[in-house]
Amino acid sequence: DAKTTQPNSMESNEEEPVHLPCNHSTISGTDYIHWYRQLPSQGPEYVIHGLTSNVNNRMASLAIAEDRKSSTLILHRATLRDAAVYYCIPGAGGTSYGKLTFGQGTILTVHP
Amino acid sequence: DVKVTQSSRYLVKRTGEKVFLECVQDMDHENMFWYRQDPGLGLRLIYFSYDVKMKEKGDIPEGYSVSREKKERFSLILESASTNQTSMYLCASSLATASQYFGPGTRLLVL
Repeated sequence: DAKTTQPNSMESNEEEPVHLPCNHSTISGTDYIHWYRQLPSQGPEYVIHGLTSNVNNRMASLAIAEDRKSSTLILHRATLRDAAVYYCIPGAGGTSYGKLTFGQGTILTVHP
Repeated sequence: DVKVTQSSRYLVKRTGEKVFLECVQDMDHENMFWYRQDPGLGLRLIYFSYDVKMKEKGDIPEGYSVSREKKERFSLILESASTNQTSMYLCASSLATASQYFGPGTRLLVL
């Protein structure tokens, strides 16, 4: 499994953009980059994933470096509901059956 | 919407008891997973299954077993519960290598 490095915590103000970084320098060529988040007292939920190109969905955008050794999850306008632990997870490529290895993640605090 | 349900939100058991945690998904997903989550240790994969009657060990399978007799149901079994198995248990399912959908979790306390 690729090793990931994320900040332990980040803070943002409501309605401001948030850029959550992740380093995954040992990512393999077939691994996708997944982002999940976990709100308090809930199971993790899928946010976004990508392979090489930048990706957008209704929740967030994912910017992937050209060498794929890092990525950034972008929340365009943070809300209080976005306060959660955000996990960056390279994996689930090839014949892995979708198996993911969760790290410690980044605790995002959003201030009103 | 995909729904993953777990049989209990909270469970209290005694040391040595046999414990069954049930997980059901309604989207015909091939893959199902069991994790435990502990403060400071994050989510750790216990077992996963990629088809009926098929199972693979995850990172921490010791003290656990699993059963998948039907595609929609994946059971986690603690043969003889111990206090160090007090934890939050999370089930997830996915289609092939697609994103995982998680259940709400079962908080297990072993006394």
